[in-house]
Amino acid sequence: GAVVSQHPSWVICKSGTSVKIECRSLDFQATTMFWYRQFPKQSLMLMATSNEGSKATYEQGVEKDKFLINHASLTLSTLTVTSAHPEDSSFYICSARGIEQYFGPGTRLTVT
Amino acid sequence: RKEVEQDPGPFNVPEGATVAFNCTYSNSASQSFFWYRQDCRKEPKLLMSVYSSGNEDGRFTAQLNRASQYISLLIRDSKLSDSATYLCVVTHGSNDYKLSFGAGTTVTVRA
Repeated sequence: GAVVSQHPSWVICKSGTSVKIECRSLDFQATTMFWYRQFPKQSLMLMATSNEGSKATYEQGVEKDKFLINHASLTLSTLTVTSAHPEDSSFYICSARGIEQYFGPGTRLTVT
Repeated sequence: RKEVEQDPGPFNVPEGATVAFNCTYSNSASQSFFWYRQDCRKEPKLLMSVYSSGNEDGRFTAQLNRASQYISLLIRDSKLSDSATYLCVVTHGSNDYKLSFGAGTTVTVRA
């Protein structure tokens, strides 16, 4: 069964609004989780590393004030896309490191 | 230059055929290598790790050439269910936790 869940699985929002995506490790504790973004026909791009109890580490070119990450517990990390724009429409996937790296089922965000 | 490059394909093969494809990686400090499989609109799932000595898992064989910095995947006796996008994944330099993904090679197996 799934070991990492994401919620919601898809969301449609209006431009300018904020959207929160949750990533949960179900059977294990994850001090580190990762957030990726995938545009159609492109590779998964690492956006940030989420660290429990401390600030996230963002990859070059990813705006930390736009993509807010909170890792408040060992089983939950959240990504908030603030003031979303149509170009933020993408497939957002989280992963958590257990025995191997497990990926969540992804969240498809469409900003209209 | 992209950190991981793959031939996007698509590779269209009949059932039972053998198909093989490669990927190259740019960071010589990468230490771990994987092939993931991604079905349309789904998350990636680990297919197999790739070891220096080469390794086999059923109909799948992976090879690693560190000197030339490429990884290969060979699928024997293709099944319809093998149709997917195969992602070449390497660790981000010496950080074993961060993964760098190729854009994927699409394989379509036809009846």
